[in-house]
Amino acid sequence: DTEVTQTPKHLVMGMTNKKSLKCEQHMGHRAMYWYKQKAKKPPELMFVYSYEKLSINESVPSRFSPECPNSSLLNLHLHALQPEDSALYLCASSHWTGGSYEQYFGPGTRLTVT
Amino acid sequence: AQTVTQSQPEMSVQEAETVTLSCTYDTSENNYYLFWYKQPPSRQMILVIRQEAYKQQNATENRFSVNFQKAAKSFSLKISDSQLGDTAMYFCAFTQNYGGSQGNLIFGKGTKLSVKP
Repeated sequence: DTEVTQTPKHLVMGMTNKKSLKCEQHMGHRAMYWYKQKAKKPPELMFVYSYEKLSINESVPSRFSPECPNSSLLNLHLHALQPEDSALYLCASSHWTGGSYEQYFGPGTRLTVT
Repeated sequence: AQTVTQSQPEMSVQEAETVTLSCTYDTSENNYYLFWYKQPPSRQMILVIRQEAYKQQNATENRFSVNFQKAAKSFSLKISDSQLGDTAMYFCAFTQNYGGSQGNLIFGKGTKLSVKP
């Protein structure tokens, strides 16, 4: 099973709302990633978790708060977002960090901030 | 800093024909990996093929093959016998392979490929 699942598929939220995006994998991977992708652009790395510990935060605003409750789950908590945060949010996982392990992507959550 | 350049924003090909997508990259490292990812309109990013920099032999996966020119820092993707399902955005990506690399993927801007019947 090489599947990464993400919920919800679509999310519309106001700037004062709090919501969470969820990502799950059951491949035994120990590295998980959050990316942000704007239309017709490549994904931009936001966070990297390795062994449930945050190892990279690419200077992402604090209104995005990642959480890795266990090795299979990755959450992204959203609060007080701006309209420019509207994008496709992709989760990915790999056996381990390091280039020799390819990343498997989920289908993404399409987020619209109104 | 590493960069990945895809110089063809859009391409089209007739069904059953062959098409080549270009990618160049810049790095001072000697040990790295290169990937081609495909993102169809349904949006899920799928790994197409990968190449280890230390391997001289070009990677192949069924109808997909690469032309890896390490000295020229070039990594093109050839799709043979194009199918309608190959219609997608194709991203070239680079990552280093050392202990602290964290697997960061550096993506090119993408090439939108349309396969026409």
